[in-house]
Formats: sequence, structure tokens, C-alpha cells
Amino acid sequence: AQSVTQPDIHITVSEGASLELRCNYSYGATPYLFWYVQSPGQGLQLLLKYFSGDTLVQGIKGFEAEFKRSQSSFNLRKPSVHWSDAAEYFCAVGAWLQGAQKLVFGQGTRLTINP
Amino acid sequence: SQTIHQWPATLVQPVGSPLSLECTVEGTSNPNLYWYRQAAGRGLQLLFYSVGIGQISSEVPQNLSASRPQDRQFILSSKKLLLSDSGFYLCAWSGGAGNTIYFGEGSWLTVV
Repeated sequence: AQSVTQPDIHITVSEGASLELRCNYSYGATPYLFWYVQSPGQGLQLLLKYFSGDTLVQGIKGFEAEFKRSQSSFNLRKPSVHWSDAAEYFCAVGAWLQGAQKLVFGQGTRLTINP
Repeated sequence: SQTIHQWPATLVQPVGSPLSLECTVEGTSNPNLYWYRQAAGRGLQLLFYSVGIGQISSEVPQNLSASRPQDRQFILSSKKLLLSDSGFYLCAWSGGAGNTIYFGEGSWLTVV
């Protein structure tokens, strides 16, 4: 069965510092991978996705992620965080259903930004 | 462009009362539709999905049901709510299998 692990429940970084959020997945075939961000009380916004091709994926808000098949990882990075990046971040793998696709999510990583 | 709306945004209901959460998608046709639940302190779990009108699949057994009376309308219901039904419910859509899934703004349900 598919699964996603986000080892860090809560991360605190200073504004302007670099960021890396870890994500490991378990999936038998080539995975579809996603990162979503959720502000408090809001829905999920797609940051970026990997379907195939270049393993370094660029997303919105200056985020990027790198797919590493050998490590079953899809870590999210940003070179310099802004206070507005404080939110919860979810990594997900797409799993096939009958005619549809479901997302299997990690437990999320809450990001706090220190001024 | 495509948009997704769900309502109500917030709901406080007594135990044993019925529930109806509605979701509509605009700007696309024949979308795949999904209901996810996010319980407090937990990740997101897929509850139902639909690939067409009247076609509903359930991922987990529970006290809830879903219906798709129109192509771009997805409804989450319960006849009698339980305390354990409390959570944040998210409707989502995609253009088909293998496509990105986009989420609505969510509905907070508190069962008291």
C-alpha cells in the first residue's frame, strides 16, 4: 500500500533562512508526487507536482522539490523563507483508483517563522 | 478558469442531527470529485470519490454518505451525526485520473 512519511511534525526557522521539508514515500510504481500548503482554517493549495521528466521541480512562491527515486524522497526546499510561508505543508503521493486518482498524504509539517 | 466552491464554511450541529455539505465546480465538465476529511491533529483521509453522475465510491466505512446529482455537484450527507464526525471536510476535483487534484476552501464541522 502507498504511504507517505513526513518525519518532522514541526519546524521553526528564522525569516530569510533556507528551508528543507522532508518527505519519503512508499509506492510500487513510478509515483505522482505533490506538495500542498495549508494556511490555518483554509483549504489546500498546490505548490508543485512531479509526474515525470526533470527530477527538480519548480513551484509557486519560490519553492522547489527534488525527486530522488533511489531514496524514495521528494523533499521541498526554499532558499529564503518569508514570514508569509508560515503554514502547514503536506506531501502526497497519487495512487490509482478505478478511473480516478486519490492522494495519500503525509501527516504534515507545521512551519513556524521567527522574525 | 476552474473554480470550486463548498458550503457552509462552518457548521455546529448536535449529535444525532442530519448533515449536508455541498460542493460545486465551475469551468469544467465531467470532473472527478472527492471528499476528504482532516481530523484534528491528523492528516487528510479520502472518504468518497466520484467519476461521474450517480457513481460514488467509498474508501472507508463510516457514518457518512455522498451523492452526485449533477455533473459538477457533490454532496456529503449524514442522517445522524456522531461526535467522531467532527473535523474539517474538503471537497476536491480533478480533470481525470493522473491529473492534479484541486481543493476547495473546506468546511468546519463541529458536532456537539
